[in-house]
Amino acid sequence: EAQVTQNPRYLITVTGKKLTVTCSQNMNHEYMSWYRQDPGLGLRQIYYSMNVEVTDKGDVPEGYKVSRKEKRNFPLILESPSPNQTSLYFCASRTGVNSYEQYFGPGTRLTVT
Amino acid sequence: LAKTTQPISMDSYEGQEVNITCSHNNIATNDYITWYQQFPSQGPRFIIQGYKTKVTNEVASLFIPADRKSSTLSLPRVSLSDTAVYYCLVGDMRPGDYQLIWGAGTKLIIKP
Repeated sequence: EAQVTQNPRYLITVTGKKLTVTCSQNMNHEYMSWYRQDPGLGLRQIYYSMNVEVTDKGDVPEGYKVSRKEKRNFPLILESPSPNQTSLYFCASRTGVNSYEQYFGPGTRLTVT
Repeated sequence: LAKTTQPISMDSYEGQEVNITCSHNNIATNDYITWYQQFPSQGPRFIIQGYKTKVTNEVASLFIPADRKSSTLSLPRVSLSDTAVYYCLVGDMRPGDYQLIWGAGTKLIIKP
């Protein structure tokens, strides 16, 4: 089954404690992205990657890091989480060829206290 | 990047056809129009994409007039399970231009 998986689905942590949210896709897609979604706001792109070792900032990259060492994986790293990073996070992938048909993961609900 | 404008919310009834219109006055020549559906606490799901005229798939139709300054998503015979937020997006297909602007979407409520 074609899918994007994220882990963990729920996470409660404290300010300053480094964390990583994993994302993996099994569709051999070149493009992958991370979004955050906050109440009353649309999805905002954090980082995206057009291929292995190619990443770029989205609209709200501050406080986040990403890496793309393998085509299927695109982890999101919060080196020192703060309460304003409490949000619902989505990973997505797409083929990158003449389509904005993105496949989204189930989401990770992060709470930073 | 073209900005889109959609109604904040809409109501309809089961079995009806629902049309959601999106305005994108600044759409560029290379931009495509894409619609997504999102249920609470789930990732958005792609519905349909088009460039001009009409596109139809198994779940929806997309109507785009000649000037492309607006588009209409048509959902035939909706059911309660179509209650969701619907997003209209425009974006360039050229390699490297991957950013889409997600607005607040249209909250569609289907009543029995």
